[in-house]
Amino acid sequence: DGGITQSPKYLFRKEGQNVTLSCEQNLNHDAMYWYRQDPGQGLRLIYYSQIVNDFQKGDIAEGYSVSREKKESFPLTVTSAQKNPTAFYLCASSIKTGGVIPEAFFGQGTRLTVV
Amino acid sequence: AQKITQTQPGMFVQEKEAVTLDCTYDTSDQSYGLFWYKQPSSGEMIFLIYQGSYDEQNATEGRYSLNFQKARKSANLVISASQLGDSAMYFCAMSPEDAGGTSYGKLTFGQGTILTVHP
Repeated sequence: DGGITQSPKYLFRKEGQNVTLSCEQNLNHDAMYWYRQDPGQGLRLIYYSQIVNDFQKGDIAEGYSVSREKKESFPLTVTSAQKNPTAFYLCASSIKTGGVIPEAFFGQGTRLTVV
Repeated sequence: AQKITQTQPGMFVQEKEAVTLDCTYDTSDQSYGLFWYKQPSSGEMIFLIYQGSYDEQNATEGRYSLNFQKARKSANLVISASQLGDSAMYFCAMSPEDAGGTSYGKLTFGQGTILTVHP
């Protein structure tokens, strides 16, 4: 089955630690995104990538880092510089080719809690 | 820069009735795509409907239709014959597109509207 896999589903982090959230897709999509969602709020873009080895900052990139070494993978690292990392994190991918509906496909999300 | 505004934090509708969820947008792009997603309490994001900015006809997908008014920069979602399972958070989103309809760049979301369907 094609889709996006995020792991883990739940993650607990001690203050001052870096933690990496995994996102893998087998849809052969070019673009991948990371969003943060706080309770009752919308999705805020952290980083996005349209091609391997290239990525751009979104609206709230401070305290986060990403890499895109493979088309299928777009891991997100939440660094100790992120002051309030407790949130729900969603990874998405979308096709860029014209002629098809370019909707984004989402993973199931990772709920990160700082303890 | 793109901005999506959803002015209704919460909406209530009676089962089997229709409901309209508002979405206005602002962009300097000539070509763009508009999307609606549904997020149940489980947290998953479900794609509902898409409208290209150059599409002259409003998009429809089953019970969902998109009331696209380009001059007013609005892309309202209409859900007909509401069902209890429609209770969820609904997000409007947009991304720029090139002249060939290829999406690129940021996919920007609004703040969402919580829809509650009453029996």
